[in-house]
Amino acid sequence: GAGVSQSPSNKVTEKGKDVELRCDPISGHTALYWYRQSLGQGLEFLIYFQGNSAPDKSGLPSDRFSAERTGGSVSTLTIQRTQQEDSAVYLCASSPQQRGGAQYFGPGTRLLVL
Amino acid sequence: GDSVTQMEGPVTLSEEAFLTINCTYTATGYPSLFWYVQYPGEGLQLLLKATKADDKGSNKGFEATYRKETTSFHLEKGSVQVSDSAVYFCALSTDSWGKLQFGAGTQVVVTP
Repeated sequence: GAGVSQSPSNKVTEKGKDVELRCDPISGHTALYWYRQSLGQGLEFLIYFQGNSAPDKSGLPSDRFSAERTGGSVSTLTIQRTQQEDSAVYLCASSPQQRGGAQYFGPGTRLLVL
Repeated sequence: GDSVTQMEGPVTLSEEAFLTINCTYTATGYPSLFWYVQYPGEGLQLLLKATKADDKGSNKGFEATYRKETTSFHLEKGSVQVSDSAVYFCALSTDSWGKLQFGAGTQVVVTP
């Protein structure tokens, strides 16, 4: 079946611009996660959504970052007023299970802020 | 807070050699433990997992045992192949919904 998809695969933007990154999880998966992979920081958790519960935003690095999940499916991560330190690969994952379940990752969006 | 520490790479091996990647963790409660692998140019894939003490996860010839007494989850493979060249990440989750805390990753290079 189809895996997690993300778009765009690559994004180059200028400092100060806003960007939107999209994630389509595996159909039926109730949990959706965003992570960031960068050279200096490794893999960092950003935010997750579980069903209709309030999202856990504890990993968002600043208030320039926000995310929403519409209809319990597609999610959009928005970065406002991008900075060069936002350059990274943004990974989305989804999971059908509760505690201890595996997460299935998308291919990521490579963001470069000039 | 929770953390995962894994050995630094790169680890360079010859084909058919034995591979061990050390992973230790610090966590409150009883975490689930995972190994993820990232092959060149590809996304993260779950390699194996263990959800309670003394569980052994295994997949593709890789094994890891959840050792609560030593807070470790070392990854092993008895005979590596060139196709095992990748970056390996140890991770844990203590959260009810499984958000992951990753180690820094270990690059493994297997030469013919």
